[in-house]
Amino acid sequence: DTAVSQTPKYLVTQMGNDKSIKCEQNLGHDTMYWYKQDSKKFLKIMFSYNNKELIINETVPNRFSPKSPDKAHLNLHINSLELGDSAVYFCASSPRQGLGYTFGSGTRLTVV
Amino acid sequence: GQQLNQSPQSMFIQEGEDVSMNCTSSSIFNTWLWYKQEPGEGPVLLIALYKAGELTSNGRLTAQFGITRKDSFLNISASIPSDVGIYFCAGQLFKAAGNKLTFGGGTRVLVKP
Repeated sequence: DTAVSQTPKYLVTQMGNDKSIKCEQNLGHDTMYWYKQDSKKFLKIMFSYNNKELIINETVPNRFSPKSPDKAHLNLHINSLELGDSAVYFCASSPRQGLGYTFGSGTRLTVV
Repeated sequence: GQQLNQSPQSMFIQEGEDVSMNCTSSSIFNTWLWYKQEPGEGPVLLIALYKAGELTSNGRLTAQFGITRKDSFLNISASIPSDVGIYFCAGQLFKAAGNKLTFGGGTRVLVKP
């Protein structure tokens, strides 16, 4: 069983479209995250949810809207996709007071 | 915000060599972590360091948490081809909301042609 699973792994879409990426963790962790990795491989946090509650929102455009239906799931919806949104998006989870994250294998989003 | 400077940005290894990389921060962290990322995958935790001065090993990997709590290094001994990848340092503050990790820019480890 994959600990943190994301779908889809690859997503190619046109500018202006709306798309969603799903994430699920089976580790029993309380906290989930979305990170964006740019073309230079820099990892930057976007959002953090603790037990379905948003606790970190790092100056991400309003076009990005995370949704956590329960503590095992954190989905990312992106409206009106732009070329600059092309990146690899990683979901991760951690215990509430735990150390370090477990990452998913990423979703490579390409906007054309 | 906090920034982590990781160096070198890239390095070439030859099988059997020992290599080292480090990370410095403008402010202190409670925890330092080292991750490795291979192509098409997410970062995987290698070593976690919990207190200043701590030296921890994981097989051929050794990492240390600097005394000032503002730096850390990672050594790889007797490198092998499968050590290729991107190594990230990350700092964590216990009091930060949501256990936020701040990542360095990564060190790309490549094999010498």
